[in-house]
Amino acid sequence: DTGVSQDPRHKITKRGQNVTFRCDPISEHNRLYWYRQTLGQGPEFLTYFQNEAQLEKSRLLSDRFSAERPKGSFSTLEIQRTEQGDSAMYLCASSDPGQGTDTQYFGPGTRLTVL
Amino acid sequence: SQKIEQNSEALNIQEGKTATLTCNYTNYSPAYLQWYRQDPGRGPVFLLLIRENEKEKRKERLKVTFDTTLKQSLFHITASQPADSATYLCAVGSSSNTGKLIFGQGTTLQVKP
Repeated sequence: DTGVSQDPRHKITKRGQNVTFRCDPISEHNRLYWYRQTLGQGPEFLTYFQNEAQLEKSRLLSDRFSAERPKGSFSTLEIQRTEQGDSAMYLCASSDPGQGTDTQYFGPGTRLTVL
Repeated sequence: SQKIEQNSEALNIQEGKTATLTCNYTNYSPAYLQWYRQDPGRGPVFLLLIRENEKEKRKERLKVTFDTTLKQSLFHITASQPADSATYLCAVGSSSNTGKLIFGQGTTLQVKP
């Protein structure tokens, strides 16, 4: 069990550029979540997948955000035309509700800075 | 509106004392509540889960209570150590089985030697 990994760990971009983040969940976990966290706040739900199906998206997720999990394994989160307000830590988590709970295991996060 | 509230002020205690953190929620009927620890620059780490039909849960020096009448959970760390210094997050899960967690803003605990 190597845990949840995220890549890159840090990303600095200029306003208006597109960025893509990757998340590799724990291998046997079928649920994958994306959250966003700003300084001094708790993580904020963005979206989640059950296998390859995206089952819920937050109203906070504007049209500039898109997430995929094409084969039910790794996931990508893309932000188009980045804005300074997108600067945050983007966290990925995975879980296996078949274990009887939905404990989520988080990755280290990708810190995005939009200049 | 739905809210999860934790003490926004940092909690400073002396080593060896018991730390008590509070989580209050409004306009939710959570099926369970979880507590996570987060160190600076890292993702949250799961600590304990307590279900709506449980009053108390323990794990080593940690204890969580869940009062669905008061809509409150208390998180206790006994015999606190400087290594317990971190931000502690409370999260509620809905009963809709989506697994989505709604987090409080977290409380920072500082344990002084």
